[in-house]
Amino acid sequence: QKEVEQNSGPLSVPEGAIASLNCTYSDRGSQSFFWYRQYSGKSPELIMSIYSNGDKEDGRFTAQLNKASQYVSLLIRDSQPSDSATYLCAVTKPNFGNEKLTFGTGTRLTIIP
Amino acid sequence: GAGVSQSPRYKVAKRGQDVALRCDPISGHVSLFWYQQALGQGPEFLTYFQNEAQLDKSGLPSDRFFAERPEGSVSTLKIQRTQQEDSAVYLCASSLAVENIQYFGAGTRLSVL
Repeated sequence: QKEVEQNSGPLSVPEGAIASLNCTYSDRGSQSFFWYRQYSGKSPELIMSIYSNGDKEDGRFTAQLNKASQYVSLLIRDSQPSDSATYLCAVTKPNFGNEKLTFGTGTRLTIIP
Repeated sequence: GAGVSQSPRYKVAKRGQDVALRCDPISGHVSLFWYQQALGQGPEFLTYFQNEAQLDKSGLPSDRFFAERPEGSVSTLKIQRTQQEDSAVYLCASSLAVENIQYFGAGTRLSVL
């Protein structure tokens, strides 16, 4: 079992709709959770971070964390063509200050105009 | 500089050649990470520095891989006797130790022929 699992997609969503991206993780000790966006040929760019159960909203983006179910999701409201990218879920575990990120394989999202 | 800077952006090497990849982190960032990203995959951890100390090198795939950060700022990832399986994008990230948000450079795309 991979430590962080994502549906690789591709996920196609009409412009203006809500895109829902999901991620599960295997280590209950995971402490911090991140969503990165990566355009083709570019580096990962942080979209959201979440550390406690519940929802966290930032503009059109909402991250949801459920530690009991070991599940984290990202909702993108009012999807725009510029949201088309690969979305990477990443987690960290406390390790004496070494907060290395463990990534999923990413979900490729396409917003259809 | 404003962000994490990596050079070169692209490197083509013949099998068996040695290569050196450079990372210049965000000024003042204590932590520096190297990741390897194969095509269609999420980044995978290679090694971690806190200032000049290499605290974790558990992700380095073989003893042909070597990283250093002698003055606690710029870091170099060296790959000796490159093999085709080393072809990937090598990403560098830095963070403030307490903030735990990693900022990525644009990466170096290494192609071994």
